[in-house]
Amino acid sequence: EPEVTQTPSHQVTQMGQEVILRCVPISNHLYFYWYRQILGQKVEFLVSFYNNEISEKSEIFDDQFSVERPDGSNFTLKIRSTKLEDSAMYFCASSFRGRVEQFFGPGTRLTVL
Amino acid sequence: GEDVEQSLFLSVREGDSSVINCTYTDSSSTYLYWYKQEPGAGLQLLTYIFSNMDMKQDQRLTVLLNKKDKHLSLRIADTQTGDSAIYFCAENPNDYKLSFGAGTTVTVRA
Repeated sequence: EPEVTQTPSHQVTQMGQEVILRCVPISNHLYFYWYRQILGQKVEFLVSFYNNEISEKSEIFDDQFSVERPDGSNFTLKIRSTKLEDSAMYFCASSFRGRVEQFFGPGTRLTVL
Repeated sequence: GEDVEQSLFLSVREGDSSVINCTYTDSSSTYLYWYKQEPGAGLQLLTYIFSNMDMKQDQRLTVLLNKKDKHLSLRIADTQTGDSAIYFCAENPNDYKLSFGAGTTVTVRA
């Protein structure tokens, strides 16, 4: 069964460094998403991406964040200058179209020291 | 606005039924979802219901939707130890995102 994959599973970085989190969505899906979950808190929407552009973003997704689909398979989230409060589990998701079920990857745990 | 509320904890004896409740606010949501998260793992889509349905059954899972009260519930029949997890209710207020509740931690005791 096709699934969303994410790499790395765990990333440790120093405050102020740039990180890139990688995702491979399900191959025939057209909508891509990033969510994050700070430890013990609810899953929060960050951004959605469709037709090679951002379709919606939350207040959390400020200028430090960017997303890219550099080729036909990868979908990346870049945090330009990490802060301590960026420590969280980051989930990538994809869906065939809008307003249907989204399939989530296993997540990347980001730890900012 | 979007606000999804769930009770935080549920303890249930193995073999009993579990019922997890959720309320949501956005009446434009087309689908409502239940996701399961096991310790240290990602989000697994358990089931979903279309907003014009009031019930959906899938093996041990029964979803009930009261659209008038914006109330969603998930019933797990014959709860097993493997059902211990956090269960998230979610709505999709538009084409582009899901709004999640805080999650209900279900603990199954022997």
